[in-house]
Amino acid sequence: GAGVSQSPSNKVTEKGKDVELRCDPISGHTALYWYRQSLGQGLEFLIYFQGNSAPDKSGLPSDRFSAERTGGSVSTLTIQRTQQEDSAVYLCASSLGALDEKLFFGSGTQLSVL
Amino acid sequence: AQSVTQLDSQVPVFEEAPVELRCNYSSSVSVYLFWYVQYPNQGLQLLLKYLSGSTLVKGINGFEAEFNKSQTSFHLRKPSVHISDTAEYFCAVSDYGGSQGNLIFGKGTKLSVKP
Repeated sequence: GAGVSQSPSNKVTEKGKDVELRCDPISGHTALYWYRQSLGQGLEFLIYFQGNSAPDKSGLPSDRFSAERTGGSVSTLTIQRTQQEDSAVYLCASSLGALDEKLFFGSGTQLSVL
Repeated sequence: AQSVTQLDSQVPVFEEAPVELRCNYSSSVSVYLFWYVQYPNQGLQLLLKYLSGSTLVKGINGFEAEFNKSQTSFHLRKPSVHISDTAEYFCAVSDYGGSQGNLIFGKGTKLSVKP
Protein backbone atom coordinates (compact mmCIF):
# COMPACT_ATOMS: atom_id res chain seq x y z
CA GLY A 1 0.00 0.00 0.00
CA ALA A 2 0.91 3.67 -0.11
CA GLY A 3 1.59 3.98 3.59
CA VAL A 4 1.67 2.13 6.89
CA SER A 5 -1.77 0.81 7.66
CA GLN A 6 -3.00 0.04 11.17
CA SER A 7 -6.22 -1.60 12.23
CA PRO A 8 -8.48 -1.07 13.96
CA SER A 9 -8.22 2.71 14.20
CA ASN A 10 -10.16 2.63 17.46
CA LYS A 11 -10.68 -0.19 19.92
CA VAL A 12 -12.75 -0.09 23.07
CA THR A 13 -12.48 -3.11 25.30
CA GLU A 14 -13.30 -4.22 28.80
CA LYS A 15 -10.67 -4.73 31.43
CA GLY A 16 -9.39 -8.31 31.36
CA LYS A 17 -10.09 -8.95 27.70
CA ASP A 18 -7.41 -9.68 25.11
CA VAL A 19 -6.86 -7.38 22.12
CA GLU A 20 -4.93 -7.74 18.91
CA LEU A 21 -3.61 -4.78 16.97
CA ARG A 22 -2.48 -5.09 13.39
CA CYS A 23 0.15 -3.25 11.38
CA ASP A 24 0.67 -3.51 7.64
CA PRO A 25 3.99 -1.83 6.76
CA ILE A 26 5.00 -0.27 3.48
CA SER A 27 5.85 -2.97 0.97
CA GLY A 28 9.58 -3.71 0.94
CA HIS A 29 10.28 -2.20 4.35
CA THR A 30 12.23 -4.72 6.40
CA ALA A 31 12.22 -2.83 9.70
CA LEU A 32 9.04 -2.45 11.74
CA TYR A 33 8.58 -0.63 15.04
CA TRP A 34 5.82 -0.50 17.65
CA TYR A 35 5.46 2.52 19.92
CA ARG A 36 2.91 3.57 22.51
CA GLN A 37 1.87 7.19 22.88
CA SER A 38 0.22 8.15 26.15
CA LEU A 39 -0.83 11.60 27.31
CA GLY A 40 2.16 13.33 28.83
CA GLN A 41 4.41 10.32 28.25
CA GLY A 42 5.59 10.93 24.73
CA LEU A 43 6.47 7.99 22.55
CA GLU A 44 7.42 4.82 24.36
CA PHE A 45 9.37 2.24 22.38
CA LEU A 46 7.88 -1.23 22.62
CA ILE A 47 9.55 -3.52 20.12
CA TYR A 48 11.45 -3.55 16.85
CA PHE A 49 11.50 -6.17 14.09
CA GLN A 50 14.18 -6.65 11.48
CA GLY A 51 12.51 -9.07 9.12
CA ASN A 52 10.63 -11.52 11.32
CA SER A 53 13.08 -11.27 14.21
CA ALA A 54 12.84 -9.01 17.23
CA PRO A 55 16.39 -8.44 18.54
CA ASP A 56 15.19 -6.53 21.57
CA LYS A 57 11.97 -7.20 23.45
CA SER A 58 12.94 -5.32 26.59
CA GLY A 59 10.64 -2.41 25.76
CA LEU A 60 7.48 -4.45 26.20
CA PRO A 61 5.87 -3.19 29.45
CA SER A 62 4.93 -6.61 30.83
CA ASP A 63 4.56 -10.26 29.87
CA ARG A 64 0.96 -9.49 28.90
CA PHE A 65 2.36 -7.85 25.77
CA SER A 66 3.63 -9.86 22.84
CA ALA A 67 4.25 -9.21 19.18
CA GLU A 68 4.99 -11.20 16.12
CA ARG A 69 5.71 -10.60 12.49
CA THR A 70 5.23 -13.12 9.75
CA GLY A 71 6.49 -13.19 6.19
CA GLY A 72 8.52 -10.08 6.85
CA SER A 73 5.37 -8.04 6.47
CA VAL A 74 2.31 -7.82 8.72
CA SER A 75 2.83 -7.54 12.46
CA THR A 76 0.40 -8.06 15.29
CA LEU A 77 0.71 -6.68 18.81
CA THR A 78 -1.29 -8.66 21.34
CA ILE A 79 -2.21 -7.44 24.78
CA GLN A 80 -3.62 -10.08 27.11
CA ARG A 81 -5.83 -9.36 30.11
CA THR A 82 -5.94 -5.65 29.32
CA GLN A 83 -5.69 -3.12 32.12
CA GLN A 84 -6.84 0.49 32.20
CA GLU A 85 -3.23 1.68 32.12
CA ASP A 86 -2.89 0.03 28.71
CA SER A 87 -5.12 2.76 27.25
CA ALA A 88 -3.04 4.70 24.73
CA VAL A 89 -2.43 5.20 21.05
CA TYR A 90 -0.37 2.35 19.65
CA LEU A 91 1.74 3.46 16.72
CA CYS A 92 3.45 1.32 14.14
CA ALA A 93 6.25 2.53 11.88
CA SER A 94 8.34 0.96 9.17
CA SER A 95 11.55 1.79 7.36
CA LEU A 96 13.64 0.33 4.57
CA GLY A 97 15.95 -1.24 7.08
CA ALA A 98 18.82 0.64 8.59
CA LEU A 99 18.63 2.78 11.69
CA ASP A 100 19.43 5.88 9.66
CA GLU A 101 16.41 5.42 7.49
CA LYS A 102 13.36 7.58 7.73
CA LEU A 103 10.51 6.03 9.67
CA PHE A 104 7.06 6.12 8.18
CA PHE A 105 4.33 6.07 10.80
CA GLY A 106 0.83 4.73 10.65
CA SER A 107 -2.12 6.66 12.05
CA GLY A 108 -2.22 4.49 15.13
CA THR A 109 -4.79 2.47 17.05
CA GLN A 110 -6.52 4.30 19.88
CA LEU A 111 -7.04 1.69 22.58
CA SER A 112 -9.46 2.44 25.40
CA VAL A 113 -9.76 -0.06 28.25
CA LEU A 114 -12.86 0.48 30.35
CA ALA B 1 21.35 2.93 27.14
CA GLN B 2 20.24 6.01 25.30
CA SER B 3 17.84 8.63 26.56
CA VAL B 4 16.41 11.85 25.19
CA THR B 5 15.36 14.89 27.18
CA GLN B 6 13.17 17.62 25.77
CA LEU B 7 13.34 20.32 28.39
CA ASP B 8 10.19 22.19 27.40
CA SER B 9 6.85 20.42 27.26
CA GLN B 10 5.13 23.50 25.82
CA VAL B 11 6.44 26.51 23.94
CA PRO B 12 4.06 29.38 23.13
CA VAL B 13 5.32 31.91 20.62
CA PHE B 14 3.92 34.68 18.46
CA GLU B 15 3.81 34.41 14.69
CA GLU B 16 7.00 35.55 12.90
CA ALA B 17 9.05 35.23 16.09
CA PRO B 18 12.08 32.91 16.22
CA VAL B 19 11.85 29.65 18.12
CA GLU B 20 14.23 27.10 19.59
CA LEU B 21 13.08 23.70 20.83
CA ARG B 22 15.69 22.08 23.03
CA CYS B 23 16.82 18.48 22.95
CA ASN B 24 19.59 16.78 24.89
CA TYR B 25 20.55 13.15 24.64
CA SER B 26 22.74 10.68 26.44
CA SER B 27 24.42 7.70 24.86
CA SER B 28 27.57 5.70 25.36
CA VAL B 29 27.97 5.16 21.63
CA SER B 30 27.76 7.22 18.49
CA VAL B 31 24.27 8.18 17.49
CA TYR B 32 21.96 9.32 14.77
CA LEU B 33 19.61 12.17 15.72
CA PHE B 34 16.16 13.03 14.40
CA TRP B 35 13.34 15.49 14.79
CA TYR B 36 9.82 14.31 14.01
CA VAL B 37 6.71 16.48 13.89
CA GLN B 38 3.08 15.59 14.55
CA TYR B 39 0.56 18.12 13.23
CA PRO B 40 -2.91 18.10 14.81
CA ASN B 41 -4.86 14.99 13.82
CA GLN B 42 -2.01 13.71 11.65
CA GLY B 43 0.65 11.03 11.96
CA LEU B 44 4.29 11.60 12.78
CA GLN B 45 6.59 12.64 9.97
CA LEU B 46 10.30 13.24 9.70
CA LEU B 47 11.41 16.87 9.89
CA LEU B 48 15.17 16.38 9.65
CA LYS B 49 17.99 14.06 10.66
CA TYR B 50 21.68 14.12 11.49
CA LEU B 51 23.78 11.13 10.50
CA SER B 52 27.27 12.55 9.97
CA GLY B 53 29.11 15.42 8.34
CA SER B 54 28.01 19.02 8.76
CA THR B 55 26.63 19.63 12.22
CA LEU B 56 24.00 22.05 10.89
CA VAL B 57 21.13 20.15 9.34
CA LYS B 58 18.33 21.73 7.35
CA GLY B 59 14.90 20.16 7.18
CA ILE B 60 11.49 20.82 5.74
CA ASN B 61 9.41 23.94 6.34
CA GLY B 62 12.42 26.13 7.15
CA PHE B 63 13.52 24.25 10.25
CA GLU B 64 17.14 23.50 11.06
CA ALA B 65 18.98 21.80 13.90
CA GLU B 66 22.55 21.84 15.09
CA PHE B 67 24.35 18.82 16.50
CA ASN B 68 26.66 19.72 19.36
CA LYS B 69 28.62 16.69 20.49
CA SER B 70 30.30 18.35 23.46
CA GLN B 71 26.97 19.49 24.85
CA THR B 72 25.14 16.36 23.65
CA SER B 73 22.44 18.57 22.18
CA PHE B 74 20.40 18.73 19.00
CA HIS B 75 18.27 21.84 19.31
CA LEU B 76 15.69 22.66 16.65
CA ARG B 77 15.36 26.23 15.38
CA LYS B 78 13.32 28.33 13.02
CA PRO B 79 13.98 32.06 12.51
CA SER B 80 10.33 32.99 11.87
CA VAL B 81 7.41 30.72 12.69
CA HIS B 82 3.98 30.52 11.09
CA ILE B 83 0.61 29.58 12.52
CA SER B 84 0.89 26.36 10.52
CA ASP B 85 3.94 25.32 12.56
CA THR B 86 1.67 24.63 15.52
CA ALA B 87 2.34 20.97 16.26
CA GLU B 88 4.09 18.62 18.63
CA TYR B 89 7.78 18.07 17.97
CA PHE B 90 9.70 14.97 19.01
CA CYS B 91 13.45 14.57 19.23
CA ALA B 92 14.77 11.03 18.77
CA VAL B 93 18.06 9.15 18.90
CA SER B 94 19.24 5.82 17.59
CA ASP B 95 22.60 4.22 18.12
CA TYR B 96 24.50 2.63 15.30
CA GLY B 97 27.26 1.31 17.50
CA GLY B 98 25.14 -0.73 19.85
CA SER B 99 23.16 -3.91 19.53
CA GLN B 100 19.74 -2.42 20.09
CA GLY B 101 17.71 -1.65 17.03
CA ASN B 102 15.41 0.94 18.41
CA LEU B 103 14.72 4.63 18.05
CA ILE B 104 14.22 6.41 21.38
CA PHE B 105 11.96 9.45 21.45
CA GLY B 106 11.75 12.34 23.86
CA LYS B 107 8.44 13.23 25.48
CA GLY B 108 7.72 15.92 22.93
CA THR B 109 7.38 19.70 22.87
CA LYS B 110 4.08 21.30 21.93
CA LEU B 111 4.71 24.41 19.88
CA SER B 112 1.79 26.82 19.89
CA VAL B 113 2.05 29.72 17.45
CA LYS B 114 -0.29 32.63 18.16
CA PRO B 115 -1.23 35.47 15.80
